[in-house]
Amino acid sequence: KAGVTQTPRYLIKTRGQQVTLSCSPISGHRSVSWYQQTPGQGLQFLFEYFSETQRNKGNFPGRFSGRQFSNSRSEMNVSTLELGDSALYLCASSPRQESGNTIYFGEGSWLTVV
Amino acid sequence: AQSVTQLGSHVSVSEGALVLLRCNYSSSVPPYLFWYVQYPNQGLQLLLKYTSAATLVKGINGFEAEFKKSETSFHLTKPSAHMSDAAEYFCAVTDKGGATNKLIFGTGTLLAVQP
Repeated sequence: KAGVTQTPRYLIKTRGQQVTLSCSPISGHRSVSWYQQTPGQGLQFLFEYFSETQRNKGNFPGRFSGRQFSNSRSEMNVSTLELGDSALYLCASSPRQESGNTIYFGEGSWLTVV
Repeated sequence: AQSVTQLGSHVSVSEGALVLLRCNYSSSVPPYLFWYVQYPNQGLQLLLKYTSAATLVKGINGFEAEFKKSETSFHLTKPSAHMSDAAEYFCAVTDKGGATNKLIFGTGTLLAVQP
C-alpha cells in the first residue's frame, strides 16, 4: 500500500511568488492535514480537511490556504512568499476525522524562499 | 490550550544503554498521546500511541511508553540503544473524543547514540 505522497520534494522560490504543494493520501484515507516544520517554531498545524471541507485551521495568515478534492487529494498554497515561509511542509492522512486515529505522514516538501 | 513539554532538546546515550525521552502533557483530562520519530530529511513515523487502553504501550523498534496520569507524563523508553536510533523524537497530543486529527507537538528531542 503506497504511503502519503507529497510533490514536489524540493523547491526554491523567490520572495513575493506563490507556491502550490500537492499531497496524495493513503488510499481510502479521507482526512488530510498539513503541518509546517521550521527550526525556530517546530511543528505547527496549518489546516485539516475532510470530505473536501476545511474542518480546522491553525494560526497562520490568510496567505496560507488549501483545498481537498473529491478523491481526497489535497493541495496547499502560499501566496506572496516571505523568507520566513522557508520550511518543511508535511502532509498527513488518516482514515477518519476522529481523534486517536493513527496519522501517517509524508516525506514532506522542502520549500526555500530566497 | 493543550500542550506537551519535552524535557531535553538533546540527549546522548552510548550504544546499548537505556534510552529515556521525557514528555509531559498539560491537560487535566487525559488526552491521546503519540510518539513520532523523524530521521534526517524524512517525514514523521509513528512509534506508538496511547488511546486509553493499556497504560504501557509497546511500539515499533523496541520502544515503549508508559502513561502516568498522576505525573501527567508519557515518557518513551528503549532498554538498549542502537546506532540506528539516532534521530529526532516528537511527543504529540490530541484531545480525546474530538472530531479532529489535529496534533499538537512538543519541541522535539534529538537523540545521539555514541559507539
